[in-house]
Amino acid sequence: AQTVTQSQPEMSVQEAETVTLSCTYDTSESNYYLFWYKQPPSRQMILVIRQEAYKQQNATENRFSVNFQKAAKSFSLKISDSQLGDTAMYFCAFMKQANAGGTSYGKLTFGQGTILTVHP
Amino acid sequence: GAVVSQHPSWVICKSGTSVKIECRSLDFQATTMFWYRQFPKQSLMLMATSNEGSKATYEQGVEKDKFLINHASLTLSTLTVTSAHPEDSSFYICSARDLQDLWDEQYFGPGTRLTVT
Repeated sequence: AQTVTQSQPEMSVQEAETVTLSCTYDTSESNYYLFWYKQPPSRQMILVIRQEAYKQQNATENRFSVNFQKAAKSFSLKISDSQLGDTAMYFCAFMKQANAGGTSYGKLTFGQGTILTVHP
Repeated sequence: GAVVSQHPSWVICKSGTSVKIECRSLDFQATTMFWYRQFPKQSLMLMATSNEGSKATYEQGVEKDKFLINHASLTLSTLTVTSAHPEDSSFYICSARDLQDLWDEQYFGPGTRLTVT
């Protein structure tokens, strides 16, 4: 079974500054995906960024980037130029890649979440 | 982009009654849908995986007879909370996988807040 751990229950940052959210995971799988999701006060889950485990290059999406350390099983999210709209709960998630006859395909395992508050 | 809807968005029911929550993929076909439960300021806990035309697969500890899941078509899955009690009050979220999506992405519904009085 996979586990995902987010050790920072709450974080805060000033507008325009940079913040990094931590995530570690444990798995025996070789092929998998990692995700960061954002859940604002509306509670709609929004995909922020994804990383395929086989890719060495860290994923980036505009102001969001990850530091993927496969050997260390670490997957942190960096938010640059923080904006008030970034205030939300952030979840790190793991998904095993599909294989023939697999039964857990598509199942996401979430971390505990980190509440991020961006202050003006 | 792919859109998933849930209905209702908020429901209040009396203890002992049943309530049905619908999850629809509006612009894509979904062979697989997932149902999650979330308590305030906590993570999403997977309850079950719903596959079109077959029985749902429940996670350990989830009562199958209490949380009935039906995935009748490629665009609709329903979760029925039977004989609801106050401890069933929670936020229920569904997600769906697009058949045609090469990225294995899940699309989430906006959630349903259930309050049992």
